[in-house]
Amino acid sequence: GEDVEQSLFLSVREGDSSVINCTYTDSSSTYLYWYKQEPGAGLQLLTYIFSNMDMKQDQRLTVLLNKKDKHLSLRIADTQTGDSAIYFCAESMGYNAGNMLTFGGGTRLMVKP
Amino acid sequence: DTAVSQTPKYLVTQMGNDKSIKCEQNLGHDTMYWYKQDSKKFLKIMFSYNNKELIINETVPNRFSPKSPDKAHLNLHINSLELGDSAVYFCASSQGQGSNGYTFGSGTRLTVV
Repeated sequence: GEDVEQSLFLSVREGDSSVINCTYTDSSSTYLYWYKQEPGAGLQLLTYIFSNMDMKQDQRLTVLLNKKDKHLSLRIADTQTGDSAIYFCAESMGYNAGNMLTFGGGTRLMVKP
Repeated sequence: DTAVSQTPKYLVTQMGNDKSIKCEQNLGHDTMYWYKQDSKKFLKIMFSYNNKELIINETVPNRFSPKSPDKAHLNLHINSLELGDSAVYFCASSQGQGSNGYTFGSGTRLTVV
């Protein structure tokens, strides 16, 4: 996704926190999402944030949104080996664009025991 | 019950053949999509249909023809397959945005030889 960018890799130790970052360019995005993709599987919606929010917490997941800098992050607390996967951020372009999602290139999270 | 189901899961075929991928959703969603994920894991929208009507066609070659017989089905037919068509194709559906937003199928891995 040329309009949504993420770093390619992140490696952490089990029990540490992981922070995955994403930048986007379309300020009219209404919703921003985080999806998880395990090997050979489809995309699983982890969490989302509405554009008028700064932060959302859902159990081990914390999403931070900085609209001014168009920066989105996903923090995973107490990272486990089962969290190893590719994480995609995505922005929704709204109803006039058919509600389609524009994805970042994905961040591959590796959790070492 | 699978919410968004795609068939087949794997498809291996020769260049020049014509093939179809089927998608069905039982969520009552109004909008369905096809996304393509390449070997580098980039995800890109191909088509979006709302209530059987095409609303997005993202510069996809004419060899790709989606068909939506009703709002619960969106099939993808591909003519004259080329090596570059090898990818994982994901079907998705949505009703609005947010947590009730996007549900993805498990993907169809197409390999053209």
